[in-house]
Amino acid sequence: GESVGLHLPTLSVQEGDNSIINCAYSNSASDYFIWYKQESGKGPQFIIDIRSNMDKRQGQRVTVLLNKTVKHLSLQIAATQPGDSAVYFCAESARGAGSYQLTFGKGTKLSVIP
Amino acid sequence: NAGVTQTPKFRILKIGQSMTLQCTQDMNHNYMYWYRQDPGMGLKLIYYSVGAGITDKGEVPNGYNVSRSTTEDFPLRLELAAPSQTSVYFCASSKPWETQYFGPGTRLTVL
Repeated sequence: GESVGLHLPTLSVQEGDNSIINCAYSNSASDYFIWYKQESGKGPQFIIDIRSNMDKRQGQRVTVLLNKTVKHLSLQIAATQPGDSAVYFCAESARGAGSYQLTFGKGTKLSVIP
Repeated sequence: NAGVTQTPKFRILKIGQSMTLQCTQDMNHNYMYWYRQDPGMGLKLIYYSVGAGITDKGEVPNGYNVSRSTTEDFPLRLELAAPSQTSVYFCASSKPWETQYFGPGTRLTVL
């Protein structure tokens, strides 16, 4: 079946640098995408979302980019901090097709080097 | 608001035992979900509910049952625990068509 996947399972960055976490999706009907952050021993925490009628959305220190042509999603974290160390998941759903179920990728572990 | 709360935080079961994982949300969300997360993996949907009295199967429902008698509560039942059900279980809730918010999880080990 169609699924959401990630290019890189682990990412190490220096504190203060920018981080980019990538995600590929294969369901062409997907029209809503979310990034979650999961710290060790905790549940996923919402970071930012984007709908398919947009190609960029910014939050506080985070930006999500959506490229529907190549079915690619990325999360950019500016000035990465030690507190950003976590596993990051992308998730997608095809809400326009009537589904509110989320399909999650496997996750990318971000490690911030002090 | 407490958000989504789950009990217990940890549990060890013997094969064949049964238990109920509790989930409560105080955000008046209609939609609630149960996921399981295996080590190093993403979340897989077990069951979901779009309102009191309405439940439906997700991707991996076998071995589980749910009920939704109130808006706030969405318990997950394991009838005959198996080692394959060793996992971390997350409950989530949302408004229709909006972002899902997750509880802290229940870590279950079946020996």
